[in-house]
Amino acid sequence: DTAVSQTPKYLVTQMGNDKSIKCEQNLGHDTMYWYKQDSKKFLKIMFSYNNKELIINETVPNRFSPKSPDKAHLNLHINSLELGDSAVYFCASTQRSRNEKLFFGSGTQLSVL
Amino acid sequence: TQLLEQSPQFLSIQEGENLTVYCNSSSVFSSLQWYRQEPGEGPVLLVTVVTGGEVKKLKRLTFQFGDARKDSSLHITAAQPGDTGLYLCAGVTEYGNKLVFGAGTILRVKS
Repeated sequence: DTAVSQTPKYLVTQMGNDKSIKCEQNLGHDTMYWYKQDSKKFLKIMFSYNNKELIINETVPNRFSPKSPDKAHLNLHINSLELGDSAVYFCASTQRSRNEKLFFGSGTQLSVL
Repeated sequence: TQLLEQSPQFLSIQEGENLTVYCNSSSVFSSLQWYRQEPGEGPVLLVTVVTGGEVKKLKRLTFQFGDARKDSSLHITAAQPGDTGLYLCAGVTEYGNKLVFGAGTILRVKS
């Protein structure tokens, strides 16, 4: 059973389109995150939700909108995709919000053409 | 400006060699984590160090947290091809309770 699963694994789309990435965790964790990993492998936090409540919102364009319907799910919707959005997006979860051991999904590779 | 500097960025060695990866900062961290990421997968936690000067061993991997909790190192003895991957350090900031990642070290061990 996959602990943190995100879909799709690969996403290829045209500039200007809107797309969503879904994430689910079956670990019973309270906190979920979205990270962006660029081509140089640098991992940067985008958002964090604790029990469906937004607690971290880094400097991310408002074209990116996270949604947490319940504490086991955190989806990421991206409007008007740009070339610079191409990256690998990782969902992660922890038991508590104090950045303890992160469990990562296997990533969604987004390519904007 | 990156809060955590990792070096080297790339390392290509032969099986059986030893290596050390460094993670340095001018900031103090309440704890520091090391992750390994394989291609097409998410990072997986290897270890967390919490106390200044702490040393932890995981088979052939030795992790050390600096006395001042500003830096850390990962030493691998007798590297094997299975050690190949991206090694990431991540520190929990002392006040912000935020986890910040270093840029990573790509390790390739050739057989």
